[in-house]
Amino acid sequence: DAGITQSPRHKVTETGTPVTLRCHQTENHRYMYWYRQDPGHGLRLIHYSYGVKDTDKGEVSDGYSVSRSKTEDFLLTLESATSSQTSVYFCAISAGGSETQYFGPGTRLLVL
Amino acid sequence: GENVEQHPSTLSVQEGDSAVIKCTYSDSASNYFPWYKQELGKGPQLIIDIRSNVGEKKDQRIAVTLNKTAKHFSLHITETQPEDSAVYFCAASPHNNNDMRFGAGTRLTVKP
Repeated sequence: DAGITQSPRHKVTETGTPVTLRCHQTENHRYMYWYRQDPGHGLRLIHYSYGVKDTDKGEVSDGYSVSRSKTEDFLLTLESATSSQTSVYFCAISAGGSETQYFGPGTRLLVL
Repeated sequence: GENVEQHPSTLSVQEGDSAVIKCTYSDSASNYFPWYKQELGKGPQLIIDIRSNVGEKKDQRIAVTLNKTAKHFSLHITETQPEDSAVYFCAASPHNNNDMRFGAGTRLTVKP
């Protein structure tokens, strides 16, 4: 998985609780992305980062926030989890804005 | 934004036969078209990609064709093997990779 790890790999939480997912890379790539994957929707971009402390919204950003304080780490936070955020979350990295994206192993999140 | 449609959603072939998956896109500014293979419980893995300055690209048993006029591109797998069974995703991206859109996926089953 191209030097990308995600933690936790599985999580069950309750509605209304905060959740933070972590993506860690060892490739020193500038760009990092968070996607969610749901049946019938493929992968949809939540947020992305183009450098330390530089982030922007993607297609489905409502209810999510991100932070990147180091090149190697990109955090995704659900401030108050809802059942609609039950999904599989994937982190991806790329060397540049027009370069190939490589995906991590995913985090399966269940919000009860 | 870009809209990517992928067909068929499921595809079953006999080992040794060919498999073809087709995608259409809407944004004429898209110029990067990757294909990903996702096995159960894993993240998507890039298998081949094509940029808009070429019409066809081949890598062993896998080929991708692109028709920019018609805004469609296809994945061709020849001499299929059981290990080709997986979900395949197409994607389309403008010059700025931060707006990559994915198709909904095709579940390919290769019967021995």
